[in-house]
Amino acid sequence: EIVMTQSPATLSVSPGARATLSCRASQSVSNNLAWYQQKPGQAPRLLIYGASTRDTGVPARFSGSGSGTEFTLTISSLQSEDFAVYYCQQYNSWPPLTFGGGTKVEIK
Amino acid sequence: QVQLVDSGGGLVKPGGSLRLSCAASGFTFSDYYMGWIRQAPGKGLEWISYISSVGRSVYYADSVKGRFTISRDNAKYSLFLQMNSLRAGDTAVYYCARGRLFGEPTFDYWGQGSLVTVSS
Repeated sequence: EIVMTQSPATLSVSPGARATLSCRASQSVSNNLAWYQQKPGQAPRLLIYGASTRDTGVPARFSGSGSGTEFTLTISSLQSEDFAVYYCQQYNSWPPLTFGGGTKVEIK
Repeated sequence: QVQLVDSGGGLVKPGGSLRLSCAASGFTFSDYYMGWIRQAPGKGLEWISYISSVGRSVYYADSVKGRFTISRDNAKYSLFLQMNSLRAGDTAVYYCARGRLFGEPTFDYWGQGSLVTVSS
């Protein structure tokens, strides 16, 4: 089973600032990596798949990068609606599909 | 527009059973793989199960294998999760979700979730 590790667990960022979230895989997942956003009381929302492709309707301030075992989600200028929990998910070797533990982005 | 509506959750005793349903609309259901993902209270996401577009292939997490069964009725645009031998550790919000095209197991639409509580 591929273990996904996200860091940091919590990220405190000021509105308008840049946020950088990390996701590490225990073995290579190539570029088969997705990112999701989850707000309190809501279902997750797919942001990025294929490590760097934004899903339909996702704002351009969200960008994904990386391959192999190291991945990054960058939010270029945080808006109020971006404060949420973000999860990465690998789909290179499955089952099982595995998610990271999440990074909470909170207002500084 | 694409919509997934989860139902069937509730309170069940340990060892009991429950069947979750997910009603789909706004897309051609039989073209897409579908999955179940759960989230224990205050915890992260855990993938549970995935089913191919015609139901021929099914996949399970080890934590539920042999106890849970995923199925679908394409004529009724419905996805199901039969959960047997439930344990306290199965307490979670259960989401149905649509796999992206061509079976890629990333999930582009999600239901609102159905809370399952296993407690005596």
